[in-house]
Amino acid sequence: AQSVTQLGSHVSVSEGALVLLRCNYSSSVPPYLFWYVQYPNQGLQLLLKYTTGATLVKGINGFEAEFKKSETSFHLTKPSAHMSDAAEYFCAVSDGNFGNEKLTFGTGTRLTIIP
Amino acid sequence: EAGVAQSPRYKIIEKRQSVAFWCNPISGHATLYWYQQILGQGPKLLIQFQNNGVVDDSQLPKDRFSAERLKGVDSTLKIQPAKLEDSAVYLCASSPTRGIGYTFGSGTRLTVV
Repeated sequence: AQSVTQLGSHVSVSEGALVLLRCNYSSSVPPYLFWYVQYPNQGLQLLLKYTTGATLVKGINGFEAEFKKSETSFHLTKPSAHMSDAAEYFCAVSDGNFGNEKLTFGTGTRLTIIP
Repeated sequence: EAGVAQSPRYKIIEKRQSVAFWCNPISGHATLYWYQQILGQGPKLLIQFQNNGVVDDSQLPKDRFSAERLKGVDSTLKIQPAKLEDSAVYLCASSPTRGIGYTFGSGTRLTVV
């Protein structure tokens, strides 16, 4: 069974500061890993994904994440926070079976940006 | 490309009533998913369709929830009768048969009072 742990249900950073959202996973097979963002009253939007290959993945809006197998982590970072980054962020894992990508989500981290 | 369409956006019902949600996936996407997102939690898969066949419904409370995907396109999720704990956002998503990455709809927010 797969699982995802997101450390910190709420994270606050100042505008212009580094954003770091933590995600650890558990998977019995090589995982596919995802970060999604959810703005109020909207669906989930894919930020970035790791499948195979390069372990540092770049996504939209200046976000990136690094897959570290030895630490079973996939932390999300952004060098400089912007007010528009305020949202809820979800880390998710799948078993990578093409056409059957059941996602297991973490409980989410709400990011607040302080002006 | 048009996104995943869901309706209604909001629904308020009394407990023991029935409700139905509709989803139209992205054209050509064979796989369709329904997720339930309770406030403060991550989405949880309820059911997955491949074309019009069910792939996984292990987390669907079958005594009250049902879903169908006629002709392998649109899908309907029904709750009958609703309970207070069914209050949540119901998200529909679709993906290509051989591809990675979902596209989610905006969801239907259900409040059971």
